[in-house]
Amino acid sequence: AQSVTQLGSHVSVSEGALVLLRCNYSSSVPPYLFWYVQYPNQGLQLLLKYTSAATLVKGINGFEAEFKKSETSFHLTKPSAHMSDAAEYFCAVSDHGAGNMLTFGGGTRLMVKP
Amino acid sequence: EAGVTQSPTHLIKTRGQQATLRCSPISGHTSVYWYQQALGLGLQFLLWYDEGEERNRGNFPPRFSGRQFPNYSSELNVNALELEDSALYLCASSFSPAGTYNEQFFGPGTRLTVL
Repeated sequence: AQSVTQLGSHVSVSEGALVLLRCNYSSSVPPYLFWYVQYPNQGLQLLLKYTSAATLVKGINGFEAEFKKSETSFHLTKPSAHMSDAAEYFCAVSDHGAGNMLTFGGGTRLMVKP
Repeated sequence: EAGVTQSPTHLIKTRGQQATLRCSPISGHTSVYWYQQALGLGLQFLLWYDEGEERNRGNFPPRFSGRQFPNYSSELNVNALELEDSALYLCASSFSPAGTYNEQFFGPGTRLTVL
């Protein structure tokens, strides 16, 4: 079964600093990969997705992620953090044709200091 | 375009009761998914419905059940509620099940509290 690991349940950065949220998956076959953001008391919003096209994926709100097959990683980055980026971020994978379920990582809470 | 909607927003029940949660997918979406987000347990897949049929089920007991109606809306039922069922229940929908990438759009969730 797929597993997703997000290193660091809490990440704190200063406003304007680089944001790096880590995600590693377990499958030997590259799955579909997603990053979602969850603001307090809300559902999940899709930030970006990897579907075997370009390895560098650009998403909304200035976020991007790079798929690295050799490292089985899909880390999320943003060059300059804003206060409004404070939220919980989830990496998710979906195996090709494997029941369409999303397997989520444990989530990373991003805190942005002024 | 309206997003995924869920009702109610909050639901309070006592142990042993039944809870019914509802979800309306984005117009044109035929698949509905249910996830449980419990404190300390993260997001876990519960059920997937497509074209009125249950297509896949997560590792949950049979007292978690549901159905999908002809208009593609869905209902999640939780029988014999236990304290650990307290969680945020998220519904998601997608356009097509197999053969395409699985981009799921999520609703705001129903917060179920079991006392």
